[in-house]
Amino acid sequence: SQKIEQNSEALNIQEGKTATLTCNYTNYSPAYLQWYRQDPGRGPVFLLLIRENEKEKRKERLKVTFDTTLKQSLFHITASQPADSATYLCALENSGNTPLVFGKGTRLSVIA
Amino acid sequence: GAGVSQSPSNKVTEKGKDVELRCDPISGHTALYWYRQSLGQGLEFLIYFQGNSAPDKSGLPSDRFSAERTGGSVSTLTIQRTQQEDSAVYLCASSLGSGGWETQYFGPGTRLLVL
Repeated sequence: SQKIEQNSEALNIQEGKTATLTCNYTNYSPAYLQWYRQDPGRGPVFLLLIRENEKEKRKERLKVTFDTTLKQSLFHITASQPADSATYLCALENSGNTPLVFGKGTRLSVIA
Repeated sequence: GAGVSQSPSNKVTEKGKDVELRCDPISGHTALYWYRQSLGQGLEFLIYFQGNSAPDKSGLPSDRFSAERTGGSVSTLTIQRTQQEDSAVYLCASSLGSGGWETQYFGPGTRLLVL
C-alpha cells in the first residue's frame, strides 16, 4: 500500500542547532516533493519544492534533499530559532494531475 | 492580493443538522481542493476540482458529503445529517494548475464542532 511517513510526531531541539525532519514514502514515484509549514489555527504555507532530478534545494536557512533511491526527503533548518516552531508537512504528487498527498507532519519545537 | 478565504471561521451545530462551508479561492486559480484535518492529524483529502473537468470525489468519506464549485470560482462543501465524528477543521486550498509542481495556497479553515 502507499504510505508517507514523517519521522516523528514531535521534535524538540535547542535554539541555534540544526533541525532535521524526515519524510519517507512507499509505493509512490513522485516527480515533485513539497514541504509546507503549518502554525496552530492556520492553514499550511508552502516553503520549498524539489524535483526528482534535484538532489538538494536551499532557501535561506532551509535545505531540502530528495533521494529517489531511498525514497526519502530530508528537511533541514539551520541555526534554528523559536520562531521556527511549527508543524512541517511533506507532500508529494501521486501521479499526473492528481492532488498532492500530505504526510501527517512533524511538530518542531525550538527551545530558547 | 487576496488569499484564499473561508467562511464561517467557526461553526457549531447539532448532530443531524446540515452545514455548508464556503471557500473563495485566489482569482485565476483553476484548481480547488478540500481537506479535513482532525485534531493532531494530517490532512485528509476530500475532493478536488480542476477547471471544467468532473471533480475527483475519491476522498469523500460518505455520501453525506458533497461539494460544488460554481462558475469555476467559489466552492461550497455541504455535510448533511452531521455526526460528531465530522468535527474537524475543514481546509480549502487553490492552485494555478493541478500539476505536482503547483503550490497550494490554503485558507485559514473552518472549525466545525458537532454536538
